[in-house]
Amino acid sequence: QKEVEQNSGPLSVPEGAIASLNCTYSDRVSQSFFWYRQYSGKSPELIMSIYSNGDKEDGRFTAQLNKASQYVSLLIRDSQPSDSATYLCAVEGGSYIPTFGRGTSLIVHP
Amino acid sequence: DADVTQTPRNRITKTGKRIMLECSQTKGHDRMYWYRQDPGLGLQLIYYSFDVKDINKGEISDGYSVSRQAQAKFSLSLESAIPNQTALYFCATSDIADQETQYFGPGTRLLVL
Repeated sequence: QKEVEQNSGPLSVPEGAIASLNCTYSDRVSQSFFWYRQYSGKSPELIMSIYSNGDKEDGRFTAQLNKASQYVSLLIRDSQPSDSATYLCAVEGGSYIPTFGRGTSLIVHP
Repeated sequence: DADVTQTPRNRITKTGKRIMLECSQTKGHDRMYWYRQDPGLGLQLIYYSFDVKDINKGEISDGYSVSRQAQAKFSLSLESAIPNQTALYFCATSDIADQETQYFGPGTRLLVL
């Protein structure tokens, strides 16, 4: 069974700090990796996608992928209170069916 | 207008009742999905459809059924609702041209008494 593991948190960081969110996955043939942000009571929305080893940057967000170690991470620089949400990691292995982690709750306090 | 819509947004029903949740999309995507989300449990896949003639069970399909009426419409039915089906339900779409990013509807909050 494909598994995607995330620390449920909450991860609490001060405003302006770097928030680091981590995700590990079990299926070695996984090809596509996604980070979704979900505000309380709202639907998930895509933050970042990454498909090859290394870093991918988009504004304050950086996704990091290490297929050999089977982990993917999301760094949020200059964290803002508006970044407070649950972050879902999703992994897809060519079947077009993603497996979602349970999410990490992030709290950015002023 | 939203690309993926769900109706109703909130629903309260009683045990044993049959209810239908509807999803419509204007994104032109072939792939559609139904998920449920319970607090602390992430998203669990109920059913998915890759085109109008394709219906597949997900990891938690028992007690649910679906209908793909058109490319743009995918409905989820609870044949005889039970209290442990109380959850937040999301419809989503994806497309290979968009590298399989999932686009979610706003969700339906269902309470079964």
